[in-house]
Amino acid sequence: QPVLTQPPSASASLGASVTLACTLTSGYSNHKVDWYQKRPGKGPRFVMRVGTGGIVGSKGEGIPDRFSVLGSGLNRYLTIKNIQEEDESDYHCGADYGSGNNFVYVFGGGTKLTVL
Amino acid sequence: QVQLVESGGGLVKPGGSLRLSCAASGFTFSDYYMSWIRQAPGKGLEWISYISSSSSTKTYADSVKGRFTISRDNAKSSLYLQLNSLRAEDTAVYFCATESGTKFESWGQGTLVTV
Repeated sequence: QPVLTQPPSASASLGASVTLACTLTSGYSNHKVDWYQKRPGKGPRFVMRVGTGGIVGSKGEGIPDRFSVLGSGLNRYLTIKNIQEEDESDYHCGADYGSGNNFVYVFGGGTKLTVL
Repeated sequence: QVQLVESGGGLVKPGGSLRLSCAASGFTFSDYYMSWIRQAPGKGLEWISYISSSSSTKTYADSVKGRFTISRDNAKSSLYLQLNSLRAEDTAVYFCATESGTKFESWGQGTLVTV
């Protein structure tokens, strides 16, 4: 079963930009990945889905325009521009494999974003 | 406005059981596939189970297969997760989520299970 790999931490200064990466296992270069934002004490929030051509579908409810995605090879990126204090969160990527009785969903380990 | 509220978590001894509930409102519950996802302390998210809108399809992660059972009551707009044979590694916050196009669009706040 595929694995999604994320760096454990990232940081960026207020107002700067940061790009978070999620790397798919070799052989899954066409796979779409979902990004979720997780703040302490709150439920996760769907950000958006990304494929090799960029965003797939719509952003999650209330996700600002400062958030964008890009897909390249085995990597799926989430970029946050003009970082705000409220962006400090854990960001998790995930992907589905199979359907129906074979549905499985896998998450990466998450990246903790610190706003300096 | 979509609202999902989990309940039923608590402290249980190894080998014990719990039943988690997820009360849904603000959308037509019977139209949606649903999932349970958990997050152990200091760890990432882990998908553990999924159920189709009619309950005809249920799948589980290998880590809980044979011990956990997902179910739903569309008349009550409620999702359930029966947790049996609990282990220390099942300690986590458990979230319910709506599944749409194989992604999880709406989530609850979670309920903590401590084994």
